[in-house]
Amino acid sequence: GAGVSQSPSNKVTEKGKDVELRCDPISGHTALYWYRQRLGQGLEFLIYFQGNSAPDKSGLPSDRFSAERTGESVSTLTIQRTQQEDSAVYLCASSQRTFSNQPQHFGDGTRLSIL
Amino acid sequence: QQQVKQSPQSLIVQKGGISIINCAYENTAFDYFPWYQQFPGKGPALLIAIRPDVSEKKEGRFTISFNKSAKQFSLHIMDSQPGDSATYFCAATGSARQLTFGSGTQLTVLP
Repeated sequence: GAGVSQSPSNKVTEKGKDVELRCDPISGHTALYWYRQRLGQGLEFLIYFQGNSAPDKSGLPSDRFSAERTGESVSTLTIQRTQQEDSAVYLCASSQRTFSNQPQHFGDGTRLSIL
Repeated sequence: QQQVKQSPQSLIVQKGGISIINCAYENTAFDYFPWYQQFPGKGPALLIAIRPDVSEKKEGRFTISFNKSAKQFSLHIMDSQPGDSATYFCAATGSARQLTFGSGTQLTVLP
């Protein structure tokens, strides 16, 4: 597609429920990144994929968070047993490769609200 | 070691003025320094980026100045326009691949 697509754009759920967030990267981009942006703050890294592999999961805040990528394309970020502190905008980015100077292109994010 | 410190937190500039946002880093392994622009409800959009072997890069009204010895870099927006009103983030990356972001600067350009 023309850009990184994320769905849903907004998600409201009750505390304790599981949620799945989806990211469709730019076609042909082998690297995919997930970030979290809390209200009024900068972005914090969660996880990245090179192809379907996730070499660096260091940013995942707890074992309630997991992510997968299939077909070197779509990725899903799953949050189990959601907590109110999980409320944030979850942003996905993709780049052609994982070299440091490859620009990362962001989607518009999923705004997650935990009641 | 991984932090990128950004200032100011907010900035108000008159139309036609120069907006300057500063960032400092500690990790000397960083080798790519992009700036992103973010409008409300949108994802960050890459504005301009620089490598540490270059001291300045200019694209239109946007200029990055880079001081490797001081481990600082800054964004200058010349002839600032109301349409430039947005949140600006500096970032840095290296072998770890993921971007480390500053905390953001909310820029308001008054008409």
